Amino acid sequence: GQNIDQPTEMTATEGAIVQINCTYQTSGFNGLFWYQQHAGEAPTFLSYNVLDGLEEKGRFSSFLSRSKGYSYLLLKELQMKDSASYLCAVRSIEAAGNKLTFGGGTRVLVKP
Amino acid sequence: ETGVTQTPRHLVMGMTNKKSLKCEQHLGHNAMYWYKQSAKKPLELMFVYSLEERVENNSVPSRFSPECPNSSHLFLHLHTLQPEDSALYLCASSQLAGGRSYEQYFGPGTRLTVT
Repeated sequence: GQNIDQPTEMTATEGAIVQINCTYQTSGFNGLFWYQQHAGEAPTFLSYNVLDGLEEKGRFSSFLSRSKGYSYLLLKELQMKDSASYLCAVRSIEAAGNKLTFGGGTRVLVKP
Repeated sequence: ETGVTQTPRHLVMGMTNKKSLKCEQHLGHNAMYWYKQSAKKPLELMFVYSLEERVENNSVPSRFSPECPNSSHLFLHLHTLQPEDSALYLCASSQLAGGRSYEQYFGPGTRLTVT
């Protein structure tokens, strides 16, 4: 099976940096996704990593280490609108239909 | 973003009712998914359809019955639900091609309350 762990909640100040960690255990790893979900809204895609290293997209970056079963999402220059839940999801090559397994999500609260 | 739409957005139903949730994707994708999101629990995959064929059924109770008449539409038929089935039901779609992983696009969800 698959096991995905991420912190439940984090608080940070506007303009600061926050790093959300995600650890996973899976067989046949085939990609890790990060999604953002505002309260009452649909999850929206942020980033995808399948090879080791850092992927940067503006203020958001995502890192992957396959040997450690570890990823993080880095949010820079935090804005109030970044207050949301951040979901880590893993895809397994053994999973039919591009199936993703999600972690419980990390709720980030940005304070002024 | 209106790539994936879901209706209704809110639904209240009694345990003896029968209702259906509808999902439509306008992205030309060939895979569609139903997820359940309960408070303080991870997103749970319920059903996966690839090329209109069901490829995954995660031990979901038979009171939930999916239907995928074509690659753009997905339904979830509900009957004799339990109060613990109250949750946000999310539909998603993605493109499958040559083994490459494409991200899933989610609809806004249907907030279901079973009384």
